[in-house]
Amino acid sequence: EAGVAQSPRYKIIEKRQSVAFWCNPISGHATLYWYQQILGQGPKLLIQFQNNGVVDDSQLPKDRFSAERLKGVDSTLKIQPAKLEDSAVYLCASSQTSGTQYFGPGTRLTVL
Amino acid sequence: GDSVTQMEGPVTLSEEAFLTINCTYTATGYPSLFWYVQYPGEGLQLLLKATKADDKGSNKGFEATYRKETTSFHLEKGSVQVSDSAVYFCALKVVGGSNYKLTFGKGTLLTVNP
Repeated sequence: EAGVAQSPRYKIIEKRQSVAFWCNPISGHATLYWYQQILGQGPKLLIQFQNNGVVDDSQLPKDRFSAERLKGVDSTLKIQPAKLEDSAVYLCASSQTSGTQYFGPGTRLTVL
Repeated sequence: GDSVTQMEGPVTLSEEAFLTINCTYTATGYPSLFWYVQYPGEGLQLLLKATKADDKGSNKGFEATYRKETTSFHLEKGSVQVSDSAVYFCALKVVGGSNYKLTFGKGTLLTVNP
């Protein structure tokens, strides 16, 4: 069974530029999550989708971050404009409803 | 709110040594508890879990027991190997409606030397 796929694996941008990350969850998983992992800290949930509806986006900085999950499968997370403090690893995870969350390899973002 | 506190790292051990990584939690509801492991260059992998008090999760020689009275879920392994070198995260999940978010500790880096 294929795992959670993410791309790109690494991205370096200047502050105030925009960036987008892509996630393809495990087939059949209705729930998709985006987490932000800042160096030296544990992952923090940014947004949770159930199919293509948003369940929780209370920790998403909505003035610069946006996410969508069209057709309830793939998802994209966008940052516009990026700030230095957005440097982090962005992890995508998926699960069958409330079951075990399976994580992708992450995208490491560096904002200069 | 919900939170997880785990032992500060890094932890450095010799092969075959005994490992304990402490984890305590506070939760508004009745949580499920997890240990995730992150090997260098890879994503998080579920190592073990426990869903109710006194449950013991185990996998690959690692164990952790859900202790409600001490709000703890300490990770143990009797004899570590070099291949166990990784970052270990303790996490909890309190299901509220359809919200299934994991709350993580800061992680503990384990290095095992031959």
